[in-house]
Amino acid sequence: EPEVTQTPSHQVTQMGQEVILRCVPISNHLYFYWYRQILGQKVEFLVSFYNNEISEKSEIFDDQFSVERPDGSNFTLKIRSTKLEDSAMYFCASSEDRNNSPLHFGNGTRLTVT
Amino acid sequence: AQSVTQPDIHITVSEGASLELRCNYSYGATPYLFWYVQSPGQGLQLLLKYFSGDTLVQGIKGFEAEFKRSQSSFNLRKPSVHWSDAAEYFCAVGKAAGNKLTFGGGTRVLVKP
Repeated sequence: EPEVTQTPSHQVTQMGQEVILRCVPISNHLYFYWYRQILGQKVEFLVSFYNNEISEKSEIFDDQFSVERPDGSNFTLKIRSTKLEDSAMYFCASSEDRNNSPLHFGNGTRLTVT
Repeated sequence: AQSVTQPDIHITVSEGASLELRCNYSYGATPYLFWYVQSPGQGLQLLLKYFSGDTLVQGIKGFEAEFKRSQSSFNLRKPSVHWSDAAEYFCAVGKAAGNKLTFGGGTRVLVKP
């Protein structure tokens, strides 16, 4: 069964550094998402992306965050200047359409900001 | 605003016993409801979903869930748990299947031998 793949599985970075988290969604999917889960807290929606633009974003997704689909297969989340509170598990997800197909999640990237 | 409550943070169950995980949601329209499971070090795997129709839905790994509109609930059940069912389970609600989801806080299930 096709999978959403995320790299790296674990990323350690220093505060203030830029990080890029990478995702390869399922190939025929058109809608892409980033969620995050701070340790011990709920999984939270960050952003959805369709047709090369953001379709919805949460209040968490401020100017430090950006998303991009640089080619036909990758979907990236960039954090421009990381903060300690950005430490979390970041999940990429994709879906085939908005109405009848559920989200398929990757295994996540654990980001640790020191 | 939509919200999901999973009242039980932890549940311990003996292998072979039945399991029921509670989920209550708040949503102003017909919800799309999901249960996901997260095994240690893994991502979120979809167990089952409810969009419409039969209120008892079957999922993978022998799980089922029942949608009760009058109680705003979508409880997950399994008649006989296996040690491999030890994981964290998340209930989620959305306004469309592929739209953004709101997750509950999760229920961690421990399975005793």
